[in-house]
Parts: sequence; C-alpha cells; structure tokens
Amino acid sequence: NAGVTQTPKFQVLKTGQSMTLQCAQDMNHNSMYWYRQDPGMGLRLIYYSASEGTTDKGEVPNGYNVSRLNKREFSLRLESAAPSQTSVYFCASRGLAGVGQYFGPGTRLTVT
Amino acid sequence: SQKIEQNSEALNIQEGKTATLTCNYTNYSPAYLQWYRQDPGRGPVFLLLIRENEKEKRKERLKVTFDTTLKQSLFHITASQPADSATYLCALETGGSYIPTFGRGTSLIVHP
Repeated sequence: NAGVTQTPKFQVLKTGQSMTLQCAQDMNHNSMYWYRQDPGMGLRLIYYSASEGTTDKGEVPNGYNVSRLNKREFSLRLESAAPSQTSVYFCASRGLAGVGQYFGPGTRLTVT
Repeated sequence: SQKIEQNSEALNIQEGKTATLTCNYTNYSPAYLQWYRQDPGRGPVFLLLIRENEKEKRKERLKVTFDTTLKQSLFHITASQPADSATYLCALETGGSYIPTFGRGTSLIVHP
C-alpha cells in the first residue's frame, strides 16, 4: 500500500516549457487535490476533484490544467511554465468529507 | 474575508514540557478542524480532526481543543520530545465542502 505517489520528485523547466505532474493513490479515495506551497504562503489549492469525472478550480488555478484520468490518478499540467510557478507541488487524497487528507511526497519545480 | 491565523514565530520549548500551538480563525463557520504535521522536504501528515460539536480530542500525547465561540483551536503535545520538532498546520473545513483551507503553520522546536 503505497498511499499517494507523485512523479517526478524534482524538475527544472525553462520559461515556456510544458510538463505534467503525475499523482496516483491506491486507497480507493474519491477526492483528490493539487496544492502548491510557497515560503510564507502556506498550502494553496490549485484544483480539486471531488470524484472521478469532476474537477473544480481552487484558489490559484491560473496557468494550470488538470485531468482526473480515473479514480486513482489526478494529473496537473503546466502548459507554458512561468518563473512564478516555481514552487513545491503536493497532491493529496481522501475518502470522505470531514476526514484527514493523505499527502504525497511533493514535486519541487523550478522554472528559470 | 476568511482568515486562518497561526503564529508565524517559531515556538521553542524544552524537552518534557507541554507545547501549545494556536489556530485562530475569522469569518468561518467550520464543521471540522484538522491538525497536520510537516517535516522539512516532506508532505503534511494528518494528525487529528475535531468536529464543531466536540470540545476536545486526544490521541496518545496529542490533545486538540475547539472553541467555536472564541473561534480558536489549541493543539497540545505533552511530554514533548526533540522528535516532535516540525511545522504544525491547522486546516478548516465547512460542512458539505470537500475543501480544507490551511493556515500557514507554526514551527515547533523542542530542545533536548
């Protein structure tokens, strides 16, 4: 039981390049989330998916797109990376509202 | 606007003492309040959840209180150990929402 896995762990992009961050969970959870964490800003929600087939914007969605590929997988895409997207990205999942989230180990992204 | 406040200054305490961390909020009516631990370079780990109709929750050396009148939660670690040193995040969630909102966290440093 691996919990929540994320790939890659580290990535360096040049401005304008695109990439997809992958997230998978093996806990049969309905809800999945993408956050970014910046120094002094805390965790900010980018997108979430309450269940398979649905996605919704969070607090900071601009510059990102998501795909809930199936119940297990939720990917985050940067179409044209910008230096402002330099951050640590966390994926999380949970089974029901009102219970704790399980977080992945994070992806550290640098955009130059 | 909605706001979650956690002390941005690190809390330094001696091993064996009780650590108390505070989470204050405004313009929220949370149904649930959660506490997470985050170690450097890692994703947050869920610790405890308390519901709006609960005053107190305990788990081993951890205790959380929730005062909806004061709009405050206190997180206590008794008999603290250097291994408890980490950043602790609180998160609020309104009923029916799938979206916890996180505070910025407070760093706890336990000195041997």
